[in-house]
Amino acid sequence: EDKVVQSPLSLVVHEGDTVTLNCSYEVTNFRSLLWYKQEKKAPTFLFMLTSSGIEKKSGRLSSILDNKELFSILNITATQTGDSAVYLCAVNSGGSNYKLTFGKGTLLTVNP
Amino acid sequence: EPEVTQTPSHQVTQMGQEVILRCVPISNHLYFYWYRQILGQKVEFLVSFYNNEISEKSEIFDDQFSVERPDGSNFTLKIRSTKLEDSAMYFCARGVSGEQYFGPGTRLTVT
Repeated sequence: EDKVVQSPLSLVVHEGDTVTLNCSYEVTNFRSLLWYKQEKKAPTFLFMLTSSGIEKKSGRLSSILDNKELFSILNITATQTGDSAVYLCAVNSGGSNYKLTFGKGTLLTVNP
Repeated sequence: EPEVTQTPSHQVTQMGQEVILRCVPISNHLYFYWYRQILGQKVEFLVSFYNNEISEKSEIFDDQFSVERPDGSNFTLKIRSTKLEDSAMYFCARGVSGEQYFGPGTRLTVT
């Protein structure tokens, strides 16, 4: 059975801090790893990673994949209160348009 | 702008009733998915739909669930006889090149 484990489950930081969120996985036939931000309702797509060692960056967020050690990290620098959300990691372990298996998420709270 | 829209945003139904949740893609895509998220739990895959056919379904997607694309546009998830444990957020997502974009969701409450 495919498994995606995120850590920590929750994290409280102050504005301006840098955070690192972790995602490890055990899946058959790995295809890609996706990060989402979930505020009140739907997950919002952040990144998709397919190649090991290549960093993806968007503003203050960046992510990298290590598909030898089977993990990914999501970094957020200079955190803001608007970054408060649940960050979800999901793995596609089939074809390019197959199902996603999600982790439980990391609840990030950024205090002013 | 949302990738897909979903209706209704909230549905309350009694146990044993049938519900139909709708997903309307903004543009024409081939790959669609339904996921659900029970309050406080993981997002769980239900079913994927490619080119108007089911391509994969999970163990959760038993005989009480069905999906259709009745008019080539709207994409529906039907739950035939709802149970209390079907209470959850139901998300429709569209897929393109491996990325999946979620709709705003329908909150289903079964009483």
